[in-house]
Formats: sequence, C-alpha cells, structure tokens
Amino acid sequence: GDSVTQMEGPVTLSEEAFLTINCTYTATGYPSLFWYVQYPGEGLQLLLKATKADDKGSNKGFEATYRKETTSFHLEKGSVQVSDSAVYFCAPSYTGGFKTIFGAGTRLFVKA
Amino acid sequence: DAGVIQSPRHEVTEMGQEVTLRCKPISGHNSLFWYRQTMMRGLELLIYFNNNVPIDDSGMPEDRFSAKMPNASFSTLKIQPSEPRDSAVYFCASSFQQTGGVTGELFFGEGSRLTVL
Repeated sequence: GDSVTQMEGPVTLSEEAFLTINCTYTATGYPSLFWYVQYPGEGLQLLLKATKADDKGSNKGFEATYRKETTSFHLEKGSVQVSDSAVYFCAPSYTGGFKTIFGAGTRLFVKA
Repeated sequence: DAGVIQSPRHEVTEMGQEVTLRCKPISGHNSLFWYRQTMMRGLELLIYFNNNVPIDDSGMPEDRFSAKMPNASFSTLKIQPSEPRDSAVYFCASSFQQTGGVTGELFFGEGSRLTVL
C-alpha cells in the first residue's frame, strides 16, 4: 500500500544550524506532497507543499523539492531558530486528495 | 474565519463508558477526516468523508468505533464501550477537494485528548 518514510528523531540542533529532514514515499500514481508542522499542544498546520515534479515548496525559510526520480521530498532550512522546535510530518496525498498519509513525524529541538 | 472546531478538548472517562467527540469543519469544505495520534503509532487515519459520505473507514480499529456526518457542518466520532488503549489525541481535519484537481491542504482542529482509565 501507499506509505511514507521519514527520518527518525529527535533531531537536536543549535540555533543557526542547517536542517535536513529526509522523506521518501511510495510512487503509486502521482501524489501531491506536503510538509506539516505541529507545535506543542496544537494541531498540525501546513508548512509547505509541491504538486508536481521539480516543484519547490517554500515557507518561513523552509524548502522542499518534489523529486519524482528518487521519490523524495526532503525538508531543509539554512538557519534554524529556537521557535522552529516542533514535530515535522511528511505527507503525500494520493487518489485525488482524499487520502493523505502521514509519516511518523520528526521531532526537532533547537537550542539557543 | 473560524478554523476547525473540536470538542471536548479534554475528556477523562472510565473503561466501558461511551465517548462522543465532535467536530465542526470549516464552512465550504467538502472533505472531513478523523485521525488518532499516539506516541506508539503516530498519526493514523481512522475515516474520511467526502460530501458527507464515508469514503474509507478501513482505519477504524474496531466495531466499538463509529463516525457520522449528518450534514456538512458537523461530525461525530463515537467509542462505545471505551477501553484504556483508546487513550490518544483525536484530530478532526477538513479540506476542499476538487475531483481530479490539485489536492487541497488539510486544516486541523486542536484535537480532543481522551484518557480512558
């Protein structure tokens, strides 16, 4: 079935460090790809998305590029801040958008 | 514009009791999703509706779980009888999905934290 694998956490970084969180998905059909973020005590919210191959989604300094050939959608940020501490979820969406599959989530801690 | 509204935010109950979680999706959205989040299993899709019709309930763990969407502005998730292993945070999410179109983002509520003693 459809699935997504993302980097296990927790990831601990110092402020201003470079962040990469890896994500790969099964290539059934042509999914849209999303990254969601969950801050403590809150629901998930959209961080960025890409809907076709080679698209780059970006928001709040975060970026991810839709790589169809490697079925990947890695999340990157050049300089993390303490306020980026949260759980990040990679989420491909299949079959006309009715079914979004979430990865296990990667918890990020950023130290001042 | 109000987001997805869930109630209650917290529920503590005893094993065997009935639990009803409620969700009001964003006005104009045509799809509604119920997810369960636990440390062990992460975020699991329980059921989703499109235009108030259940599309896929294969994620509902047992017959003890049931979900309804009587109209476009209200959905319930019921657990009867509840068990300690049902303890989790239950999220409702809504979106606008165009058939054959670009996938819309999911908008999540703040969740209902359920503790079954």
